[in-house]
Amino acid sequence: DTGVSQNPRHKITKRGQNVTFRCDPISEHNRLYWYRQTLGQGPEFLTYFQNEAQLEKSRLLSDRFSAERPKGSFSTLEIQRTEQGDSAMYLCASSLVPTSGNEQFFGPGTRLTVL
Amino acid sequence: KQEVTQIPAALSVPEGENLVLNCSFTDSAIYNLQWFRQDPGKGLTSLLLIQSSQREQTSGRLNASLDKSSGRSTLYIAASQPGDSATYLCAVSSNTGKLIFGQGTTLQVKP
Repeated sequence: DTGVSQNPRHKITKRGQNVTFRCDPISEHNRLYWYRQTLGQGPEFLTYFQNEAQLEKSRLLSDRFSAERPKGSFSTLEIQRTEQGDSAMYLCASSLVPTSGNEQFFGPGTRLTVL
Repeated sequence: KQEVTQIPAALSVPEGENLVLNCSFTDSAIYNLQWFRQDPGKGLTSLLLIQSSQREQTSGRLNASLDKSSGRSTLYIAASQPGDSATYLCAVSSNTGKLIFGQGTTLQVKP
């Protein structure tokens, strides 16, 4: 499968714990995006990378959130001291610029439940 | 601040009907517009991408149009099928690449 993959698919944690999600983009895609989606809403942008550089972060991304893409391939999103309000679907997308006009391809998401 | 609105929020049609989903955005300075499909509990599947210089794109039974000046896009689905039942999301992109999404239209096609 050459699509975007995300792990784990589901994560249940207790409030106050730290969690880390991983995203593997489509091979050779230079951009990688993280979004968050709550029930009944469209996804909201969190942050994105071009290669290993993190170029933009949303105000939604509090100090408890950190994302990395150390070698310009896979990315991790860590949430420290989770809160119930962090419960959501976390989506990763990748694209190739400028070739593909920045068409973004999404992974299956990681559903986080904070108890 | 860019805002994207999709109307209607939900739609139920009988199988075989042609239908139109609407998307509007407040800032016409967009880089491109994408339509996605999302099945319950799943990720997003890209359906069509329209660059800002284009007016429409077609893929099979789907046709998407873009009118930047009026801040509108439509997704036309021909001869709808029960398998088309899903949530359809519209998203606009600035030149930085981040997508701003509407809240989606949930479509049910009844056999």
